Amino acid sequence: GQQVMQIPQYQHVQEGEDFTTYCNSSTTLSNIQWYKQRPGGHPVFLIQLVKSGEVKKQKRLTFQFGEAKKNSSLHITATQTTDVGTYFCAGTRTQGAQKLVFGQGTRLTINP
Amino acid sequence: DTGVSQDPRHKITKRGQNVTFRCDPISEHNRLYWYRQTLGQGPEFLTYFQNEAQLEKSRLLSDRFSAERPKGSFSTLEIQRTEQGDSAMYLCASSFLQGAPYEQYFGPGTRLTVT
Repeated sequence: GQQVMQIPQYQHVQEGEDFTTYCNSSTTLSNIQWYKQRPGGHPVFLIQLVKSGEVKKQKRLTFQFGEAKKNSSLHITATQTTDVGTYFCAGTRTQGAQKLVFGQGTRLTINP
Repeated sequence: DTGVSQDPRHKITKRGQNVTFRCDPISEHNRLYWYRQTLGQGPEFLTYFQNEAQLEKSRLLSDRFSAERPKGSFSTLEIQRTEQGDSAMYLCASSFLQGAPYEQYFGPGTRLTVT
């Protein structure tokens, strides 16, 4: 079945350093979504990417969808303590499909 | 609060007992999803409803699991004859039928502990 892998599993950075998490799917994805889950919280939607090679920015966050639509990345510039949490990518296999397959997440901790 | 709500937030039960969880989605949302999340993992899809119709079920959803959404509003997830392996956070999410992105709004979850 479809698998979505994320690396690294954990990342600890000094406040102000950059952070990147990578997501790879075993199959071509129709779209990919990114969620953030704070410690003790629930996943919160960040963004959706649909087009091959798409790049979207949200302030310090940059999201990319690979040309082959099998990988994606999230890059945070100059991390802040409010960025702490686990970042999940989640993809759907076909257009209009509702089943989201989540990666195992990258847990980000920050030293102030 | 107009977000997704779940009840109870925590449930401790003995192995073999039945449990039922409730999810109230955002009122305008006609799609509702159930996920299971264990420590250190991402949410795993269990099932989803469009209005009252259950349109997809994961193979993870064994015969002991059943979900309903009788009037297309709230949903219940029942686990019969619970096992220790059922211990997890059960998350509910909802979304709009139309429009993009198809972002899902998650509830706070029900944490199940089977002893």
